[in-house]
Amino acid sequence: QKEVEQNSGPLSVPEGAIASLNCTYSDRVSQSFFWYRQYSGKSPELIMSIYSNGDKEDGRFTAQLNKASQYVSLLIRDSQPSDSATYLCAVNKRDSSYKLIFGSGTRLLVRP
Amino acid sequence: GAVVSQHPSRVICKSGTSVKIECRSLDFQATTMFWYRQFPKQSLMLMATSNEGSKATYEQGVEKDKFLINHASLTLSTLTVTSAHPEDSSFYICSARMEGPQPQHFGDGTRLSIL
Repeated sequence: QKEVEQNSGPLSVPEGAIASLNCTYSDRVSQSFFWYRQYSGKSPELIMSIYSNGDKEDGRFTAQLNKASQYVSLLIRDSQPSDSATYLCAVNKRDSSYKLIFGSGTRLLVRP
Repeated sequence: GAVVSQHPSRVICKSGTSVKIECRSLDFQATTMFWYRQFPKQSLMLMATSNEGSKATYEQGVEKDKFLINHASLTLSTLTVTSAHPEDSSFYICSARMEGPQPQHFGDGTRLSIL
């Protein structure tokens, strides 16, 4: 079992729709969770951080965390073609190194 | 806030050349910096973790004598690819984080092409 799992996609949604990206993780005591967006040929860009159960909203983005189910998701409202990218879920490794364990990423395609 | 600057953005050089890449945190003190490599259409691969003033910790399979890392201050880390060969051609990306369980902030990456 991979430490952080994501569906590779592509997830295709029409412009204006809600895109829902999901991620599961294996280490039950993980505390910090992040979503990064990576455009093709570019480096990852931090979209959201979430540390406690529940929802966290920032503009069109909402991160949801359920530690009991070991599940974290990212919702993108009013999806735009410019949101088309690969979205990486990342979890802090539970040691002093603070390494990030990345999922393989979900490719999102927003159709005009 | 949390800006990480990486230079150069692109390097093209001959086989056998050593290449130095700089990573700077511009508006925060980076307790830890990380170096990644990414091949086309593949996932990020962590190469090493560096803490200011101490030796870098390399991931399994990464040659420490090939990829020299220096973390001289809380705002600067460098990666030197020594005697680079075509198989070292890749996208190298650094990241930095503040103390505690904070996110990593990434530089723009360096595209290295060895002829």
